[in-house]
Formats: sequence, structure tokens, C-alpha cells
Amino acid sequence: EPEVTQTPSHQVTQMGQEVILRCVPISNHLYFYWYRQILGQKVEFLVSFYNNEISEKSEIFDDQFSVERPDGSNFTLKIRSTKLEDSAMYFCASSETPASGRVTEQYFGPGTRLTVT
Amino acid sequence: GQNIDQPTEMTATEGAIVQINCTYQTSGFNGLFWYQQHAGEAPTFLSYNVLDGLEEKGRFSSFLSRSKGYSYLLLKELQMKDSASYLCAVLDSNYQLIWGAGTKLIIKP
Repeated sequence: EPEVTQTPSHQVTQMGQEVILRCVPISNHLYFYWYRQILGQKVEFLVSFYNNEISEKSEIFDDQFSVERPDGSNFTLKIRSTKLEDSAMYFCASSETPASGRVTEQYFGPGTRLTVT
Repeated sequence: GQNIDQPTEMTATEGAIVQINCTYQTSGFNGLFWYQQHAGEAPTFLSYNVLDGLEEKGRFSSFLSRSKGYSYLLLKELQMKDSASYLCAVLDSNYQLIWGAGTKLIIKP
């Protein structure tokens, strides 16, 4: 069964450093998402991406964040200058169709646990 | 503001039935999802409701009342592996998924 994959599974970085989290969505999916979940808290939407551009972003997704689809398979989240409060699990997800069309479920990757020290 | 409320924790017995409630107030509504999340793992899709009524899928059913801003997830014939958090999420007018904090379900033998 096709699945979303994410690398690395765990990333430790120092405050102020840049990190890139990588995702490979399911191959025939067109809509991609990043979410974060701080330990013990709710899942929070960061950004959605379609047709090589951001479709929606939340208030959390400020100038320190960026997303990119550098090739036909990868989808990345870059955090430019990490802060302690960026420590969280970051989930990538993909869905078959644009969310504003026929709604289909989002398939989640296993997540990257980011620890900022 | 947008708000999704669900109980923090529930306990049930193996083989029994449990109902997890969710109420929401969001800017727009394009459907409600239920996801299951085991500790340290990614959410996995359980159900999607956009019209009022009950959707049944095996041991799991989900109900929606849009006029009341209310949904529930019904789990029957509980198994130990059903111990997990159950997340209610609403697709708002911007097609963003707004998540509840999740209900931790503990199954006892």
C-alpha cells in the first residue's frame, strides 16, 4: 500500500540553526500539507501546497518557515532559525485531490521529531 | 475563534461500546474527520462526515449533526488495540483542518 515517508525520523539541532525536514508524498497525490504537534498538545495546521505554490497557511507559518517541492517526488519544510519552541513532531500529509474539490482523506507520514536545544 | 471540544480521557472495558463526543464552532464547515493516533505515531484516518447522519464502517461509526455542531465516534466490540487517542478535526471554510486536542481512550480487560 502506498504511504507517505518522512526523513529523518528524529532531528536534534541547536537554537538558531536551519533545518530541512523531508517528505515523499504518495505518488499520485496532488495536495500536500505540513502539520506540527507539540508533545501532549493538539495537531496544528501549518501549510498546504498545490501546483507548486502555497494554498493556505496558518498564523504559525511565519517568515522563518518555507516549503518547497524541489523535484517530482520530494516536499520539504525548512525552518530558517530554529527556536526552542519549534521542538515538536512535524507531520507531512498528502491527499488525492485538492481539498476544495471532492474531499478525500489526508494520509499522514510517520513524522519527524524535531528537538531544538 | 475556532474551537473543537472533546473529552480529554475515557475508559472502557474490552468488548464493550464507547461513544466519543465532539462539538465544534468553526468559521465555515466542509466536513468532519475522525482520526486515530497511537502514542508517538501519525494520525490514521477513520471516518469523514459532511452530511447529517450516521456513517458505519465495521466496528466504527460516526455521526454528524451540523445544526448542533456535534459529532460522535462510536466504537463497538472494543479490543485492547483500540487504546489510542481519537482526534476530531473540522475542515473549515479555508479548507484547513482544525483539530481537537484528542480523547485518550483507555481499554481495560
